[in-house]
Amino acid sequence: KNQVEQSPQSLIILEGKNCTLQCNYTVSPFSNLRWYKQDTGRGPVSLTIMTFSENTKSNGRYTATLDADTKQSSLHITASQLSDSASYICVVSAQAGTALIFGKGTTLSVSS
Amino acid sequence: GAGVSQSPSNKVTEKGKDVELRCDPISGHTALYWYRQSLGQGLEFLIYFQGNSAPDKSGLPSDRFSAERTGGSVSTLTIQRTQQEDSAVYLCASCQWAGGHNEQFFGPGTRLTVL
Repeated sequence: KNQVEQSPQSLIILEGKNCTLQCNYTVSPFSNLRWYKQDTGRGPVSLTIMTFSENTKSNGRYTATLDADTKQSSLHITASQLSDSASYICVVSAQAGTALIFGKGTTLSVSS
Repeated sequence: GAGVSQSPSNKVTEKGKDVELRCDPISGHTALYWYRQSLGQGLEFLIYFQGNSAPDKSGLPSDRFSAERTGGSVSTLTIQRTQQEDSAVYLCASCQWAGGHNEQFFGPGTRLTVL
């Protein structure tokens, strides 16, 4: 069964600190993996998209890694800001053109 | 340009009533998706439209759910005889084409509460 598991479920960190969110998947065949940020009451917004051949991709303070052999991905946030408080969702596509498989997300709270 | 818009933003209805949720995708986007996000759960795929092709309805949870996309643009998700378990946020997304690498842009969602 195609599944995407994320950890931790929730995380609280102090402003300025770094953090890493984890994503494990069993989706096959694999097409690509995406990380989305979802602010409360808003739709998800794409942070990164990685294909099988990509190991790392950065978007500002966000850096995503992908190990297609172990089927693991991480999202590292550097120098966190209060505005980083949101749900971070890992999404895997099994095939081009079909629906995406979503993880349940990690809720990040950044406090001052 | 404008992003994906959805209406209404909130809908409260009584059990047994029918509801219609609307999605206006980004102009020119040929693919449109509907998802459901229940409290504490990940997004659940419902249906997707790609151009003039027959929609992929494989995610619809029951025959009470249906969707249409008129003129390749606006889409309406209809839930008949609503049940309390239908309470969720319904998200719409569109992308330029349904290739796997193409980014999906999400609307703000419609929060449906069935009393």
